[in-house]
Amino acid sequence: DTGVSQDPRHKITKRGQNVTFRCDPISEHNRLYWYRQTLGQGPEFLTYFQNEAQLEKSRLLSDRFSAERPKGSFSTLEIQRTEQGDSAMYLCASSLGTYSYEQYFGPGTRLTVT
Amino acid sequence: DQQVKQNSPSLSVQEGRISILNCDYTNSMFDYFLWYKKYPAEGPTFLISISSIKDKNEDGRFTVFLNKSAKHLSLHIVPSQPGDSAVYFCAASARSDTNAGKSTFGDGTTLTVKP
Repeated sequence: DTGVSQDPRHKITKRGQNVTFRCDPISEHNRLYWYRQTLGQGPEFLTYFQNEAQLEKSRLLSDRFSAERPKGSFSTLEIQRTEQGDSAMYLCASSLGTYSYEQYFGPGTRLTVT
Repeated sequence: DQQVKQNSPSLSVQEGRISILNCDYTNSMFDYFLWYKKYPAEGPTFLISISSIKDKNEDGRFTVFLNKSAKHLSLHIVPSQPGDSAVYFCAASARSDTNAGKSTFGDGTTLTVKP
């Protein structure tokens, strides 16, 4: 299967701990996006990469959040000093080209902060 | 301020009938609109899209209509099938170098198609 994959699918952590999520996009896609989704809401944009360059970050992305895409392939999203308000589904998507609006989403990582 | 709104959280229709899902937007810079379908435990899947230069796009049972003056779009599913039961998200993008395909999503409408 050559779709977008995310790991882990579920993560339970205690408040104050750090967590890291991984996303593997479709191999030929040069753009990679991170979204956050909470219950009853649509995905909210967090950040995106074109190849290895992080080109935009939402104001939702506090300084506790950092994302990388070191070789323009997979990406990681790290949350430091997690808070209960960070509990959400974290979705990764990828797309091809500069003006490709269709995004291909992974299954998401569900984070629960206790 | 929510720039993309789906005012109906849920919709229930009978199998074989038409399903109409609605979406409103406020940002005049949006020029490309998409609908995604989401099943439980899966990420959203692209369904159909429309550019602002068109007012209708059709793909099989799915048709999207765009009314730019009203800043309104709708998704029609005819005939509806039980397998169409899912959450449908409306999304909008603005064509600009800095935007780069970033989409703004509505909160979704849960469609239930009853056999």
